[in-house]
Amino acid sequence: DAGVTQSPTHLIKTRGQQVTLRCSPKSGHDTVSWYQQALGQGPQFIFQYYEEEERQRGNFPDRFSGHQFPNYSSELNVNALLLGDSALYLCASSLAGGLGLGQPQHFGDGTRLSIL
Amino acid sequence: SQQGEEDPQALSIQEGENATMNCSYKTSINNLQWYRQNSGRGLVHLILIRSNEREKHSGRLRVTLDTSKKSSSLLITASRAADTASYFCATDWPGGSYIPTFGRGTSLIVHP
Repeated sequence: DAGVTQSPTHLIKTRGQQVTLRCSPKSGHDTVSWYQQALGQGPQFIFQYYEEEERQRGNFPDRFSGHQFPNYSSELNVNALLLGDSALYLCASSLAGGLGLGQPQHFGDGTRLSIL
Repeated sequence: SQQGEEDPQALSIQEGENATMNCSYKTSINNLQWYRQNSGRGLVHLILIRSNEREKHSGRLRVTLDTSKKSSSLLITASRAADTASYFCATDWPGGSYIPTFGRGTSLIVHP
């Protein structure tokens, strides 16, 4: 039973560039959430996708966008990269309605994004 | 915004000792969860406790919840070097669509 997989594991970009991160959810899960985790901080919620639509969004600018595909996998896109975007980006999957029933999210190991 | 805050920020103990971490939050919650994160890895779910529960156990882990004090504690008994990790509490609240909000975590080091 494959867990949540993310790619790439590491990425180095320069300011102003654009980046796309990818996530495949745990088998059987249909909902994907993205988090940004700065060094020494807890994960901060970016947005959640379900049925190929953004359902919830945290306090992140429009430079952060996403997409969910029919197979439930997801992409996170960040435009006009800033130095402050350097962080570990985590993807978490769950089953729709599961969070309300106390079923936890499953996390991938993240993509470490460094902005030079 | 709703956010749990863990205390202490860092904890260093010897193998075999118990480790206690605390989490405080600001408003009413649906659920409170504890996660573990090993260095450079993703988060692993440990325990979920609902707002109407007071205590839950899982192996060497014991979680308590005091809604009157808006606080929770995670106790790891007979700690092992492999327990070295960061521990986060995450809360979700009515009207928040069950999206968990994480604190800054407690960094636990268990010395062999």
